[in-house]
Amino acid sequence: EPEVTQTPSHQVTQMGQEVILRCVPISNHLYFYWYRQILGQKVEFLVSFYNNEISEKSEIFDDQFSVERPDGSNFTLKIRSTKLEDSAMYFCASTGQFGELFFGEGSRLTVL
Amino acid sequence: GDSVTQMEGPVTLSEEAFLTINCTYTATGYPSLFWYVQYPGEGLQLLLKATKADDKGSNKGFEATYRKETTSFHLEKGSVQVSDSAVYFCALSDRGNAGGTSYGKLTFGQGTILTVHP
Repeated sequence: EPEVTQTPSHQVTQMGQEVILRCVPISNHLYFYWYRQILGQKVEFLVSFYNNEISEKSEIFDDQFSVERPDGSNFTLKIRSTKLEDSAMYFCASTGQFGELFFGEGSRLTVL
Repeated sequence: GDSVTQMEGPVTLSEEAFLTINCTYTATGYPSLFWYVQYPGEGLQLLLKATKADDKGSNKGFEATYRKETTSFHLEKGSVQVSDSAVYFCALSDRGNAGGTSYGKLTFGQGTILTVHP
């Protein structure tokens, strides 16, 4: 069964460092998303991406965040200068035009 | 804005017990409603969905009915198994079926941890 894959599964970084989280969505999907879940809190929408541009973003997704689809397969989330409060589980997801959202297993980011 | 509220967890049950996890929502318009499940070490998986009032979603013995009058989408299962132990998330999308837009922007509840003992 096709699946969304994410790397790394866990990353530890120092505050102020740049982090790139990578995702390979399901190959024929058209919409791509990042969500995050701070420990003990709700899963929150960050951004959606369609046709090589951001289609919607939440207020969490400030100038420190960016997304990119550098080739035909990868979808990345970059955090330019990490803060302690960026520590969370980050989920990538993708969907076709009418279908359900398929989530990856998540990338746990720990900022020290 | 849209919001989803789930019953407080964790929930601990014995095998074959009846399960209810309450979920209520606040949304404008006619949202689509979902239950997602997260097994240990895995990503979120869609368990079931309902896209309009009075629809019943069902999968793997789980059911939930979209109740517009009570703005609820409670998850039920008649007889739980140890393998059902997981975190369950209620979610809504305000995109519905209009114009073929994907369901992708979801608002989640806080999740309910379910543990089933043999």
